[in-house]
Amino acid sequence: EIVLTQSPGTLSLSPGERATLSCRASQSVSSSYLAWYQQKPGQAPRLLIYGASSRATGIPDRFSGSGSGTDFTLTISRLEPEDFAVYYCQQYGSSPGTFGGGTKVEIK
Amino acid sequence: QVQLVQSGAEVKKPGSSVKVSCKASGGTFSSYAISWVRQAPGQGLEWMGGIIPIFGTANYAQKFQGRVTITADESTSTAYMELSSLRSEDTAVYYCARGDAPIAVAGTEYFQHWGQGTLVTVSS
Repeated sequence: EIVLTQSPGTLSLSPGERATLSCRASQSVSSSYLAWYQQKPGQAPRLLIYGASSRATGIPDRFSGSGSGTDFTLTISRLEPEDFAVYYCQQYGSSPGTFGGGTKVEIK
Repeated sequence: QVQLVQSGAEVKKPGSSVKVSCKASGGTFSSYAISWVRQAPGQGLEWMGGIIPIFGTANYAQKFQGRVTITADESTSTAYMELSSLRSEDTAVYYCARGDAPIAVAGTEYFQHWGQGTLVTVSS
């Protein structure tokens, strides 16, 4: 199965700053089938990005995804207070779909 | 609007089994895979397995093979996940999740829709 490694583990930033989260796969992700989720405490994950770069319905355009092959990035252009959360990447190009270990974006 | 509603929290003894339900509404049930994803306290997300109700056959992550059974009842639009031989490490929140497009193999989709989660606590 494909192993996803997310970095950094924790990102300490201030509101208004730019956040860059990385997701690296142990082998190439088929057809850029890579998704990103946001999770807040006590809540289910929320889909942000699918297909590496397509925003899900209702997701603000400050969230963007990029990458292909084995290296993917989620960028939050200007952090809003509600963006402080844990972010997970997921590959769904090959079974079993797998998740990365997560990156926590915390307030500095 | 697709909605997934799960059954309530459970407390189980080691060695026993638990069965969690996930009732879908607001869309076609049979053609869309339902997957189960778990999250241990303070940990990440882990796909356990999934089922496409119209096919009736589930597929499972290797880690859970032999211990998990996923089924679906088309008449009630409900999916079930049963985990047996419970141990303390199975204490987690269990989510059901679904994508937005019919697929051929459960687990090869992103998840647009999630249930609210069911906390399963395994303790003697």
